[in-house]
Amino acid sequence: DAKTTQPPSMDCAEGRAANLPCNHSTISGNEYVYWYRQIHSQGPQYIIHGLKNNETNEMASLIITEDRKSSTLILPHATLRDTAVYYCIVRSETGATNKLIFGTGTLLAVQP
Amino acid sequence: DTGVSQDPRHKITKRGQNVTFRCDPISEHNRLYWYRQTLGQGPEFLTYFQNEAQLEKSRLLSDRFSAERPKGSFSTLEIQRTEQGDSAMYLCASSLSSGRAIETQYFGPGTRLLVL
Repeated sequence: DAKTTQPPSMDCAEGRAANLPCNHSTISGNEYVYWYRQIHSQGPQYIIHGLKNNETNEMASLIITEDRKSSTLILPHATLRDTAVYYCIVRSETGATNKLIFGTGTLLAVQP
Repeated sequence: DTGVSQDPRHKITKRGQNVTFRCDPISEHNRLYWYRQTLGQGPEFLTYFQNEAQLEKSRLLSDRFSAERPKGSFSTLEIQRTEQGDSAMYLCASSLSSGRAIETQYFGPGTRLLVL
């Protein structure tokens, strides 16, 4: 599975949009981009995933560039409860393994 | 559906003791995963089951670790002769694999182990 690169930390003002970038320049055609977040001392929470097209659900939007080498997770109106570590993971649909490979993620701190 | 549950949530033990953790997956999920997470790091894969079959084990899973999923429902992870380096959060996740589409893993709250 392709490796991802994320900034170690970001700040965001409460009520503003949080835009979390992820670089996955070695992604291949059958690999999906997944986002999870982990609030302190809790298990990771699934947010969203996508292959080529932009995706939106009740939690967030995922914007994937046309060349698929990078993506951005958007939390449209960040709240203090969105403070967490956000993980971007690239995962193959047909890979030999089903495990998720987590990096160290981005610590998003939402400021009041 | 109450999600993935894990028991206990916290465990403190002395070095050399055995510990066992339990994971109850989301109902009808046929895949179950165990991960370990140490402070400041992302979760690391340990092993996974499809139904009752253990299909992959990480090199992290030393011979002191054993996992079972006897009836394809709940799973247990046992650590024998615990060491201080086993102190970590142990996470369980489950997913429904239909064989047609990529499946999403849903995580439990974790069991935090402290070995003194």
